[in-house]
Amino acid sequence: QKEVEQNSGPLSVPEGAIASLNCTYSDRGSQSFFWYRQYSGKSPELIMSIYSNGDKEDGRFTAQLNKASQYVSLLIRDSQPSDSATYLCASNQAGTALIFGKGTTLSVSS
Amino acid sequence: NAGVTQTPKFQVLKTGQSMTLQCAQDMNHNSMYWYRQDPGMGLRLIYYSASEGTTDKGEVPNGYNVSRLNKREFSLRLESAAPSQTSVYFCASSITGTGGRQPQHFGDGTRLSIL
Repeated sequence: QKEVEQNSGPLSVPEGAIASLNCTYSDRGSQSFFWYRQYSGKSPELIMSIYSNGDKEDGRFTAQLNKASQYVSLLIRDSQPSDSATYLCASNQAGTALIFGKGTTLSVSS
Repeated sequence: NAGVTQTPKFQVLKTGQSMTLQCAQDMNHNSMYWYRQDPGMGLRLIYYSASEGTTDKGEVPNGYNVSRLNKREFSLRLESAAPSQTSVYFCASSITGTGGRQPQHFGDGTRLSIL
């Protein structure tokens, strides 16, 4: 079964630190990868997408993809208390809809 | 710009009752999806519609039916609700369906409790 795996956490970091969130996927055919942020009681919100090996930066967020290792990560620089949420990793595989991981809970303390 | 709209936002049902959850998108997207989210289980796909006129089962389709009414609307029906169907239900849409680079956009969710 095609899977996306994430450490459930919680991952706790102090304000201003770098938060590193990781995700692995089982299907080498996966082509596109997405990071969603979900605040408690709210719906998932897209924050990053990545399709090619390497890094993609958007403000304080950097997504990293390594297809050889089947590994995706999200770095959040200068973490803020408002970044406290659950982060969902998802992959888009040929012939299926998005497959989501169970999410990693991030807590940023001030 | 409303995006993806789900109704109702909250609902309480008794075991055995039926209910239809409504979803509409105004982004001219081709593909639509229904997920349920339970604590510790992540988002699980119930059904999806890659394009108007087609529907396919996801990971957890048992106990549910769907209708792609037109390009904008995709409904989810519980014919005989069971307590195990207590969950938060999310509808999502994307420009294209499987294997593409287009992300999914989510509605605000329906919180459903079955007593």
